[in-house]
Amino acid sequence: DAGVTQSPTHLIKTRGQQVTLRCSPISGHKSVSWYQQVLGQGPQFIFQYYEKEERGRGNFPDRFSARQFPNYSSELNVNALLLGDSALYLCASSWGQGPYNSPLHFGNGTRLTVT
Amino acid sequence: AQSVTQLDSHVSVSEGTPVLLRCNYSSSYSPSLFWYVQHPNKGLQLLLKYTSAATLVKGINGFEAEFKKSETSFHLTKPSAHMSDAAEYFCVVTLSGGYNKLIFGAGTRLAVHP
Repeated sequence: DAGVTQSPTHLIKTRGQQVTLRCSPISGHKSVSWYQQVLGQGPQFIFQYYEKEERGRGNFPDRFSARQFPNYSSELNVNALLLGDSALYLCASSWGQGPYNSPLHFGNGTRLTVT
Repeated sequence: AQSVTQLDSHVSVSEGTPVLLRCNYSSSYSPSLFWYVQHPNKGLQLLLKYTSAATLVKGINGFEAEFKKSETSFHLTKPSAHMSDAAEYFCVVTLSGGYNKLIFGAGTRLAVHP
């Protein structure tokens, strides 16, 4: 079975531009979460979507937005890019809403570089 | 507020010797705790989880962790390190609410030498 797939794997953008990152969850998984991992730090929670509704939001500015489609895939959008947005963006899927009985499966991430 | 502190940013061991990665947590409620591993240029993989059942939790690849409420610790151990264990390890606590908001520690980089 295919795991969580993210595209693109690498991306270079200029300050002020906008970017869209994509995630396809494992088949049957209804929840998608997004995390930002800055170099040398642990991942930070950005969003969770479950059954196409936002179920959680981390401490990120409104420049960050996301959505989940009927097929449970998801997009993360970041507007007005800043140098500090350079990071590895991780997508994780699970069949349930919480981590207790439905562990998260992470993709390999999208490496975003803002110049 | 919930948080985790990983006490060592880098740990270096010889192959075949024990591994100890230390983690302390802070939580207002009974926490759920996890250890994840991240190999270079890879996503995160769940090693094990504690969800208030047994305090000694066994995970994959021979790793285990013990939940000690009196010490607010959840240290990760392995009796004998293998070269393939070299990676970044994250201690993680969940925020209450039932959704997938995981709070990660800063990570411990484990190096394994021949």
